[in-house]
Amino acid sequence: KQEVTQIPAALSVPEGENLVLNCSFTDSAIYNLQWFRQDPGKGLTSLLLIQSSQREQTSGRLNASLDKSSGRSTLYIAASQPGDSATYLCAVSSGSARQLTFGSGTQLTVLP
Amino acid sequence: DGGITQSPKYLFRKEGQNVTLSCEQNLNHDAMYWYRQDPGQGLRLIYYSQIVNDFQKGDIAEGYSVSREKKESFPLTVTSAQKNPTAFYLCASSIVRQSSRYNEQFFGPGTRLTVL
Repeated sequence: KQEVTQIPAALSVPEGENLVLNCSFTDSAIYNLQWFRQDPGKGLTSLLLIQSSQREQTSGRLNASLDKSSGRSTLYIAASQPGDSATYLCAVSSGSARQLTFGSGTQLTVLP
Repeated sequence: DGGITQSPKYLFRKEGQNVTLSCEQNLNHDAMYWYRQDPGQGLRLIYYSQIVNDFQKGDIAEGYSVSREKKESFPLTVTSAQKNPTAFYLCASSIVRQSSRYNEQFFGPGTRLTVL
């Protein structure tokens, strides 16, 4: 059974700092990996999707990498801003129905 | 505007009641999903449907039921058999391309269910 772990569970950084969020998964037979952002009491916003054949994806200040063989992904946020404060969730797509398995998230606080 | 809508935003249930959460999408997506989120935790899959009139149990289906009579709609019923239903419920949809590994899921705004 696929399991996804995110470390750290919470992170607090000063504004302007570059940071890395980590995600690991137990079964490397995945179709893709998605990073989401969730604001308190809200739904999920998709940030980046990396297909299993890709190594990384970039969108603005965000860069996500994927090492499928080692079961790891990282989300790099450059020049963090207070507006980046949110919970970041990692999810992998696997199985016959390509269903998503989620990690528990990293709660990020960027201090002004 | 294309997207996924969920209603109501907040729902209160008394003990022993069944309640139904609505999920509608106008993205012309084939697949729809229901997830449950408990505080400080990730999402867990309840049910999913890849085509109309067909659906499959996810990891935590006990105490829940669904229907998929229309492509646009995938309502979730929380029955009295669900012993701990207080949670945040999220609906998602995606295109299904069996020949491709690309199946990005898009999420609705969620329904917060509280048992009184």
